[in-house]
Order: sequence, then structure tokens, then C-alpha cells
Amino acid sequence: EVQLVQSGGGLVQPGRSLRLSCSASGFTFDDFAMSWFRQAPGKGLEWVGFIRSKVYGGTTEYAASVKGRFSISRDDSKSIAYLQMNSLKTEDTALYYCSRYGGRADYWGQGTLVTVSS
Amino acid sequence: EIVMTQTPPSSPVTLGQPASISCRSSQSLVHSDGDTYLSWLQQRPGQPPRLLIYKISNRFSGVPDRFSGSGAGTDFTLKISRVEAEDVGVYYCMQATQFPWTFGQGTKVEIK
Repeated sequence: EVQLVQSGGGLVQPGRSLRLSCSASGFTFDDFAMSWFRQAPGKGLEWVGFIRSKVYGGTTEYAASVKGRFSISRDDSKSIAYLQMNSLKTEDTALYYCSRYGGRADYWGQGTLVTVSS
Repeated sequence: EIVMTQTPPSSPVTLGQPASISCRSSQSLVHSDGDTYLSWLQQRPGQPPRLLIYKISNRFSGVPDRFSGSGAGTDFTLKISRVEAEDVGVYYCMQATQFPWTFGQGTKVEIK
């Protein structure tokens, strides 16, 4: 059974950093790209970023709103994808989701809440 | 950036009746590889999104056959043939043809 278990959310002050983790099981993690999305309270879904599998270079793509502040990485030996969030702003407050991507965002994590507030 | 416009924003439906949601993109979603990366996702209250349909019309594993997707180019439709109580939630179209990936604003399906 494919599972994506997220961790690492919480309350953080503006300007600080936070790292989210997405631990995968039930499939060959190396074979898939991974993506991150977010949903601000009461709002719709927003794509955050994407990391290709190592076969495709492991390269990344980011939304303009987070480019230069957020970075995505992966540890294939541990089957974990990471979202490193730096210089956090109040507008980054959201529920963050990771998703497996193989031509479609088919399995999603349970979400982890990030609250940026002083 | 490709803008996804979804209508209607809200759809009150009688149980057992059909529902239809439209999604229009600001440019063609046909990728250079020939596929069209248009998906439909369902988000029930308090739950993460769930993939229903990918590449316009392919139902994902475990999705009931009352859900169907159609369309081409820039115009796409999600249809629920007979709405059931468990279908209540917000439905989003999403394009993954071009970065940045973008979503429609969502359509709230509720029971009359």
C-alpha cells in the first residue's frame, strides 16, 4: 500500500526556517518524482514545487512565490522528500501536502500545518 | 502562467441527480509529448485531495465509474452521473503540462 507520511510542521516566527519531511513507503521511491502543494486557510490548492527522480537528474522546479526561499530535496536511501522553507512569511501559513508524481499526482500525504506568526 | 477557470463555483445537487463541472485553460494543455496533463481532484471536508481523473479521462484506481472526464485542448469537463452523499466536497482541476502547475478555483458540490 502506497503511503506518504508527513512531519515537521508547526508554529514559526516570520523570517525563520522550517523543514518538512514526507516519508514514503509501499513503492520504489527512486522511480518517482515528488511534488509539494499548499492550501492557505479557507483557500484553494497551490502548487509549491517539484523534484524529479534521479534518473531525470533530480532537478527541481518552484512556484514564483517561493523561489529562492524554499528548496526541495530527496534522500532515496531513506525514501524521504524534504521541503526546506527559509525566510518564512506570514503568507506562507498553510496546510502543506506532499504528493507522488508519475505523470499524475496520485497519492497524497495527510498534510502538515505551518503557521508563520510572531 | 496557465490560468485555469472553473465553473460553477458552487453546485447544489439533489441526491441521485447528475452534476457537471467545467474547467477552461488559458492555453492548450497538450504537452510536447502528445499527452494532456489535466487532472481532477476531490477534496472532502477535512481531508487531503484525492485524485479522481488524470490525463483528461482516465479514472484513477478505486474511483467509482459515476465519475467521468472529457474534453480536449482548453476545455474540460468532470461529470458525476448520479451524485451520492459521499461526493460532497470541493473539486479542482489541475494542469501539469507546464510549470508552474496551476489549479482552478474549485467547485463546491453540496446536497440540496
